[in-house]
Amino acid sequence: EVQLVESGGGLVQPGGSLRLSCAASGFTFSSYWMSWVRQAPGKGLEWVANIKQDGSEKYYVDSVKGRFTISRDNAKNSLYLQMNSLRAEDTAVYYCARAEYSGYDPFDYWGQGTLVTVSS
Amino acid sequence: VIWMTQSPSLLSASTGDRVTISCRMSQGISSYLAWYQQKPGKAPELLIYAASTLQSGVPSRFSGSGSGTDFTLTISCLQSEDFATYYCQQYYSFPFTFGPGTKVDIK
Repeated sequence: EVQLVESGGGLVQPGGSLRLSCAASGFTFSSYWMSWVRQAPGKGLEWVANIKQDGSEKYYVDSVKGRFTISRDNAKNSLYLQMNSLRAEDTAVYYCARAEYSGYDPFDYWGQGTLVTVSS
Repeated sequence: VIWMTQSPSLLSASTGDRVTISCRMSQGISSYLAWYQQKPGKAPELLIYAASTLQSGVPSRFSGSGSGTDFTLTISCLQSEDFATYYCQQYYSFPFTFGPGTKVDIK
C-alpha cells in the first residue's frame, strides 16, 4: 500500500525557517517524481515544487523561488522541503504527492498534509 | 503561467442528479488535465487524468472530456459521497496550476 506521511509542520515567526519531511513507503520511491502542494486555510490548491527521481531537476512556483528548496534522499525513501524567509502568506497545509514517472504527470497519491502557520 | 477558470464555483444538487463542471485554460494544454475530489479535512484524490482516463478504483459515474482549452467533469448520477469540492489541474507546463475549485453541495 502506497503511503506518504508528512511531518515537520508547526508555528514559526515571519522570516523564520522550517523543514518539512515526507516518508514514503509501499512503492519504489526512487522511480517517481515527487511534489509538494499546499493549501491555505479555506483556499484552493497550489502546486509548490517538483523534483525528478535522481534530484537532477527541480521546479518551483515563482512565489517560493529563492526561499524554498525541494530535495530527496532515495536511500531513506524521503522527500524534503526546506522553507526559509517564511511569510504569512506561506501559511497552509503542505501535502507531499507522488507524480508518477515523468515530470508531466498528475498526482496519484497524496499524504495527509502537515500544517505550517507563519505568525508572530 | 497557464490560468484556469472553473464554473460554477458552487453547485447545489440532489442525489441522483447529473452534474457537469467546466474548466477552461488560458492556453491549449492538449489533454494534460486532471480532476481531483477533496472532502473537508482530507487530501485531494485523483479522479481522472489525461482529460478522460478514469483513475483505478474511481466509480464509472465519473467521466471527463475535452482537449485544448475546454474540459468537462461529469457525474452521471450523484451519490451522497460525491458532495465535495472538485479541482481541475493542468500538468502541461510548469508551473502546474489548479483551478479555483467547484463545491458540490446538497440542494
